[in-house]
Amino acid sequence: EPEVTQTPSHQVTQMGQEVILRCVPISNHLYFYWYRQILGQKVEFLVSFYNNEISEKSEIFDDQFSVERPDGSNFTLKIRSTKLEDSAMYFCASGKRSGDTEAFFGQGTRLTVV
Amino acid sequence: SQQGEEDPQALSIQEGENATMNCSYKTSINNLQWYRQNSGRGLVHLILIRSNEREKHSGRLRVTLDTSKKSSSLLITASRAADTASYFCATDAGNNDMRFGAGTRLTVKP
Repeated sequence: EPEVTQTPSHQVTQMGQEVILRCVPISNHLYFYWYRQILGQKVEFLVSFYNNEISEKSEIFDDQFSVERPDGSNFTLKIRSTKLEDSAMYFCASGKRSGDTEAFFGQGTRLTVV
Repeated sequence: SQQGEEDPQALSIQEGENATMNCSYKTSINNLQWYRQNSGRGLVHLILIRSNEREKHSGRLRVTLDTSKKSSSLLITASRAADTASYFCATDAGNNDMRFGAGTRLTVKP
């Protein structure tokens, strides 16, 4: 069964460093999403991406964040100058259509900023 | 805000009992979805209900939607220990930013 894969599963980084979280969405999906979840808390929407551009972003997704689809398969989230409060699980998701169908989630990348 | 808010925050029941979780939201939506998350893992889609639907079933799951009250409920019948997980509702207003609530943590005791 096709699945969304995320790498790495766990990333530890020094405060102030840049990190790139990688995702391979399901191949025939057109819509891509990043969410984050601080331990035990709610799942927060960061950004959605369609047709090689951002379609929606939340108030969390400020200039510190960027997304890219550098080739036909990868979808990346870059976090510049990481802060302690960026420590969270980051989930990538993809879907065939916007909204009226399920989103498939990866297993997440646990980011720890020290 | 568009995002759903679930209640209760935590629910503990015995195996075989039914579990009911509720979700409320504030803006108009196109559809509402329920997802499940096992501890520390990704979310798994359970069921989607569109704004023009009132009730939907999938196996032991029953979802209702009341758009006049901006609320939804998820009922899991004959619960099993394996149903222990967090359950989230997610609302979509048609602008490609599906929003989740804080979830209900369900514990089913064997």
